[in-house]
Amino acid sequence: KNEVEQSPQNLTAQEGEFITINCSYSVGISALHWLQQHPGGGIVSLFMLSSGKKKHGRLIATINIQEKHSSLHITASHPRDSAVYICAVYTGANSKLTFGKGITLSVRP
Amino acid sequence: DVKVTQSSRYLVKRTGEKVFLECVQDMDHENMFWYRQDPGLGLRLIYFSYDVKMKEKGDIPEGYSVSREKKERFSLILESASTNQTSMYLCASRTGSYGYTFGSGTRLTVV
Repeated sequence: KNEVEQSPQNLTAQEGEFITINCSYSVGISALHWLQQHPGGGIVSLFMLSSGKKKHGRLIATINIQEKHSSLHITASHPRDSAVYICAVYTGANSKLTFGKGITLSVRP
Repeated sequence: DVKVTQSSRYLVKRTGEKVFLECVQDMDHENMFWYRQDPGLGLRLIYFSYDVKMKEKGDIPEGYSVSREKKERFSLILESASTNQTSMYLCASRTGSYGYTFGSGTRLTVV
């Protein structure tokens, strides 16, 4: 079993829809990252959080440390949100991140 | 903003060639990482470095080596490229807290 599981695996949405991407992890963590990767592109860090909730524009990330679960929400989705979204956790051991496999989001106009 | 620059976006090499992938960061970060990314497998850590001349194996170091002679530069070396090393390679650096910055990636094809 992977230490970091993401769901759903792939997601297709219509423009304007509210989207939720989930991440569950099985280890104790110091912080969790949500990363975005556009086709053929590098990885951009969207959020890093260790508790509560963070908001940036149309993106909201939440984390529940007790339940070992985090969600990334996209409000009023747009085709430019189409990308791979990757959850990664930092366990503090040797400064390494453990990654989920990512989910591919397609937003149709 | 921190910048992590990978020297090539796309690279095509022949089997058996020695390949150098370069990564440079501009913020004096101590920790740098090399990952490869494959469909269905996600990102996997190849090597990382805590400081100049320091290196540690990640999860899949076989067939790779690294060099860190200066703090800002972390090089990944494929001693004898093979077709199963065709992949997307990503470099990252880390601040003293938990923040990571990734490069744009190098898509390597070995023919």
